[in-house]
Amino acid sequence: QLQLQESGSGLVKPSQTLSLTCAVSDGSISSGGYSWSWIRQPPGKGLEWIGFIYHSGSTYYNPSLKSRVTISVDRSKNQFSLKLSSVTAADTAVYFCARGDYYMDVWGKGTTVTVSS
Amino acid sequence: QSVLTQPPSASGTPGQRVTISCSGSSSNIGSNTVNWYQQLPGTAPKLLIYSNNQRPSGVPDRFSGSKSGTSASLAISGLQSEDEADYYCATWDDSLNGVVFGGGTKLTVL
Repeated sequence: QLQLQESGSGLVKPSQTLSLTCAVSDGSISSGGYSWSWIRQPPGKGLEWIGFIYHSGSTYYNPSLKSRVTISVDRSKNQFSLKLSSVTAADTAVYFCARGDYYMDVWGKGTTVTVSS
Repeated sequence: QSVLTQPPSASGTPGQRVTISCSGSSSNIGSNTVNWYQQLPGTAPKLLIYSNNQRPSGVPDRFSGSKSGTSASLAISGLQSEDEADYYCATWDDSLNGVVFGGGTKLTVL
């Protein structure tokens, strides 16, 4: 069964760039023609879609975050990544990676990112 | 304020049938399929229903989904204590050109 594991900086200073990686195991990121997504959940709040990258490499981003978000895939490392620039306290959240685009059928456990000086 | 509207809370007793609604508009639910996620406390969301009414392998048939017009519903029959969780609806929004989630419904099993 495919597994996803998020990793990256847990504490980011305001105005800096948040960088997370999602490692794919027990399966290949290149097989099946799947898309790969990022979703976040602020403390005590609901889910917010960040964006996804198609198998083709095309990306779709949340319009409210589009100017600050980059999602990319590294097929050689079997992983995909999220970069969110110019972060503020409002970007503090649990960040999840997932397989899929319109719906996500495999999720990572999530990683907490706190934005604070 | 979420694009999709869900009741913040719902409750039921063991064995009961409960439904959770999800209201949207013509640009989202009205023109795209709806998916539902279950999030148990402290865990990642889990896909519960996709394409309005399809269950992934392993999801009990106590869970069912439906859609009519610009609204969708999740029904849980034979309610069990382990169903206590947050439930989210989601779909694609043609105007926003992205995935939108409902605000979530916290289900309490009394």
